[in-house]
Amino acid sequence: NAGVTQTPKFQVLKTGQSMTLQCAQDMNHNSMYWYRQDPGMGLRLIYYSASEGTTDKGEVPNGYNVSRLNKREFSLRLESAAPSQTSVYFCASSVLGEAHYEQYFGPGTRLTVT
Amino acid sequence: AQTVTQSQPEMSVQEAETVTLSCTYDTSESDYYLFWYKQPPSRQMILVIRQEAYKQQNATENRFSVNFQKAAKSFSLKISDSQLGDAAMYFCAYRSVNAGGTSYGKLTFGQGTILTVHP
Repeated sequence: NAGVTQTPKFQVLKTGQSMTLQCAQDMNHNSMYWYRQDPGMGLRLIYYSASEGTTDKGEVPNGYNVSRLNKREFSLRLESAAPSQTSVYFCASSVLGEAHYEQYFGPGTRLTVT
Repeated sequence: AQTVTQSQPEMSVQEAETVTLSCTYDTSESDYYLFWYKQPPSRQMILVIRQEAYKQQNATENRFSVNFQKAAKSFSLKISDSQLGDAAMYFCAYRSVNAGGTSYGKLTFGQGTILTVHP
C-alpha cells in the first residue's frame, strides 16, 4: 500500500515549457486535490476532484489544468510555465463525503521555473 | 470564505518542555473540522490531531493536545515533553462539513509555524 505517489520529485523548467505532474493513490479514495506550497503562504488549493469525472477550481487555478484520468489518478498540467509557478506541489486524497477523514498527502514535487 | 491565520512564523522550545502554537480562523459556519498537520524536513505532511467543532471536549493524541475555543475562533496546539523529532513546520487547517458549500471537502491552511527544538 503506497498511499499517494507523485512523479517527478524534482523538476526544472524554462519559462514557456510545459509539463504534467502525475499523482496516483491506491486507497480507493474518491476525492483528490492539488495544492501548491509557497514560503509564508501555507498550502493553497489549485484544483480538486470531488469524485471521478468531476473537477473544480480551487483558490489559485490560473495557469493550470487538471485531468482526473480514473479513480486512482489525478494529473496537473502546466501549459506554459512561468517563474511565478516555482513552488512545491502536493497531491492529496480523501474519502468523499466524510469531512472528519484526513487528507493523505503525497511527498511533493519541487518545481523550479527559470 | 474561510481564512486561517497562524501569527507565529517561528517558535522554539527546549527538549522536554512544553510549547503552544497558535491558530485563529474565520468562518460563518457552525460545524467544521480543524486539523494540525506536521511537515518535517522530508516535506511529508503528517496529521497530528483533529477537532470537530460541535465537540466541546478538546482533542488529545499522546503528547499533543488542543485548546479549542469556538466562540473566540481559536485552535491552539500544545506539545508536551517536546522531543527533537517534533522539530518541523506545523500547519493549522480548516475543513467545512457543509456539503452544499463551495469549500466542501477542501482544506484551508494557515501560513505555518516553524518549530525548533533545542537539546
